[in-house]
Amino acid sequence: GEDVEQSLFLSVREGDSSVINCTYTDSSSTYLYWYKQEPGAGLQLLTYIFSNMDMKQDQRLTVLLNKKDKHLSLRIADTQTGDSAIYFCAESIGNLIFGKGTKLSVKP
Amino acid sequence: NAGVTQTPKFRVLKTGQSMTLLCAQDMNHEYMYWYRQDPGMGLRLIHYSVGEGTTAKGEVPDGYNVSRLKKQNFLLGLESAAPSQTSVYFCASSYARGGEQYFGPGTRLTVT
Repeated sequence: GEDVEQSLFLSVREGDSSVINCTYTDSSSTYLYWYKQEPGAGLQLLTYIFSNMDMKQDQRLTVLLNKKDKHLSLRIADTQTGDSAIYFCAESIGNLIFGKGTKLSVKP
Repeated sequence: NAGVTQTPKFRVLKTGQSMTLLCAQDMNHEYMYWYRQDPGMGLRLIHYSVGEGTTAKGEVPDGYNVSRLKKQNFLLGLESAAPSQTSVYFCASSYARGGEQYFGPGTRLTVT
């Protein structure tokens, strides 16, 4: 069935790298997205990757896609306290299917 | 360019009352969506619309109705609110189905 899985929590120290993982189920997904939700706010698109790509880098963000394992990851380099938020991955199969979100806590 | 706006931001209802949540977008998007977000449940799609005058059911449509009379507006109605509908409601829009969705700031609804 359609299910996007993420771990619920991740805690890192300021300055470290954060890696948030996601598995999806539908190999026909054309785009895969990462959204960020800060407390009390809506979701904001962070980055996306087209399904024929393996990697995408955008400043401190690196997205890796392993289509064989249906695994997506988001790496945030030099994590800052301002990166504390909930991160959602989503696959596009018609509508977007969202994971339950990973709450990233950054400790000073 | 305001993007996606939602009104109201907060609302408290008593069981059995009705209300309408309004979503507006100024990006000329064809597709609009209503989600609810509950702790530990992520985002669940309630209803969506693929264009003016059209609506379709999502994952959790029961207890809700929607209308898309104008392209820029998408209304979510609760005819008889229940405590199980206590949630944060998000509206989103996109240019294409499966494309990047732009989200509103959310409406926090409490039903007592």
